[in-house]
Amino acid sequence: QKEVEQDPGPLSVPEGAIVSLNCTYSNSAFQYFMWYRQYSRKGPELLMYTYSSGNKEDGRFTAQVDKSSKYISLFIRDSQPSDSATYLCAMAHNDKFYFGSGTKLNVKP
Amino acid sequence: DAGVTQSPTHLIKTRGQQVTLRCSPKSGHDTVSWYQQALGQGPQFIFQYYEEEERQRGNFPDRFSGHQFPNYSSELNVNALLLGDSALYLCASSGGAADTQYFGPGTRLTVL
Repeated sequence: QKEVEQDPGPLSVPEGAIVSLNCTYSNSAFQYFMWYRQYSRKGPELLMYTYSSGNKEDGRFTAQVDKSSKYISLFIRDSQPSDSATYLCAMAHNDKFYFGSGTKLNVKP
Repeated sequence: DAGVTQSPTHLIKTRGQQVTLRCSPKSGHDTVSWYQQALGQGPQFIFQYYEEEERQRGNFPDRFSGHQFPNYSSELNVNALLLGDSALYLCASSGGAADTQYFGPGTRLTVL
């Protein structure tokens, strides 16, 4: 079993839709939870970072962590074509980072 | 404030050759981690350097080695290249081991 599981998609939505991206994990020791956005042939860009259960909001993005269920989510409101990218979840424990395989999102104009 | 920089951008090598990739961390960061990202996959942790020492290592063979310099920049060396080493190699820096990591644009290595 992988440490972090993420649906690879692709996920295709119309512009303006609410997008929900999810990851599950198996290691209850994970302390930090992150979401990265990666455009084609570029390095990942940090979007959200949290270390506690609950919600964290930043503009159109909301990160949600449920440690009891070992489940994290990223919600994107009013999605735009420029949001089309691969979204990677990441978790950290003992100074090591573990990444999901990424979900490819396509927002259609 | 310059972010994480990597060089070269692209590299083509043949099997059996050796390659060196370079990374300069974000200003104020002292920890550098290296990742391998195959097409359609998430980044896989190779190793992490702090105070010029390898502090953590992922499941990569000894053909993968690294170095960190006093100015915190780092190199990744891969010996005896295999076709399967073709990937995007990412460098990430942070202000501490558990701090948030910021990635560079990556070096795309193609092994023929």
